[in-house]
Amino acid sequence: EIVLTQSPATLSVSPGERATLSCRASQSVSINVAWYQHKPGQAPRLLISGASTRATGLPARFSGSGSGTDFTLTISSVQSEDFAVYYCQQYNDWPPLTFGGGTKVEIK
Amino acid sequence: QVQLQESGPGLVRPSETLSLTCAVSDNSISSPYYWAWIRQSPGKGLEWIAIIYYSGTTYYSPSLKSRGTISFDMSKKHISLRLTSVTATDTALYYCARGRGPVFDSWGQGTLVTVSS
Repeated sequence: EIVLTQSPATLSVSPGERATLSCRASQSVSINVAWYQHKPGQAPRLLISGASTRATGLPARFSGSGSGTDFTLTISSVQSEDFAVYYCQQYNDWPPLTFGGGTKVEIK
Repeated sequence: QVQLQESGPGLVRPSETLSLTCAVSDNSISSPYYWAWIRQSPGKGLEWIAIIYYSGTTYYSPSLKSRGTISFDMSKKHISLRLTSVTATDTALYYCARGRGPVFDSWGQGTLVTVSS
């Protein structure tokens, strides 16, 4: 089973600042990584697939990068609506599909 | 935009069987999509538990230890999950999700299941 480790667990940022979230895989997953945003009481939202392909309608301030074992989700200028928990997911070697433990982006 | 609506019993007693249903608003249940159940235990992250492709192929998380069955009913446009011999560790918010590949671009709001006597 491929284990995804996300860091940091919590990221405190001020609106307008840049946020950089990391996801590291226990073995290579090529570019088969997706990122989701999850707010309390809401359904998770797909942001990125294929490590860097933005979902339809996703603001350009969100970007994904990486390949192999190291992946990054960047929010170039955090807006108030971006405070949430972010999960990475690998789909290179499954089953099982696996998610990282999440990074909570909170207001500083 | 497809709508997914999960439903379930809310409360299940330990050792009993949990049955969940996901209602799909459009006809995509008969199109080449993956349909999955993903859960979130209290205070924890997302955990994939089962998936079914429109062809009927199914896969399960090893964590279910063969207790789970995912299925669909195209006539009713439902995806179902059956989980036997539940324990407190099965207490979670259960989500239904859809994706072209095993990447999920549509999710339901989730249904909360508590396992307790």
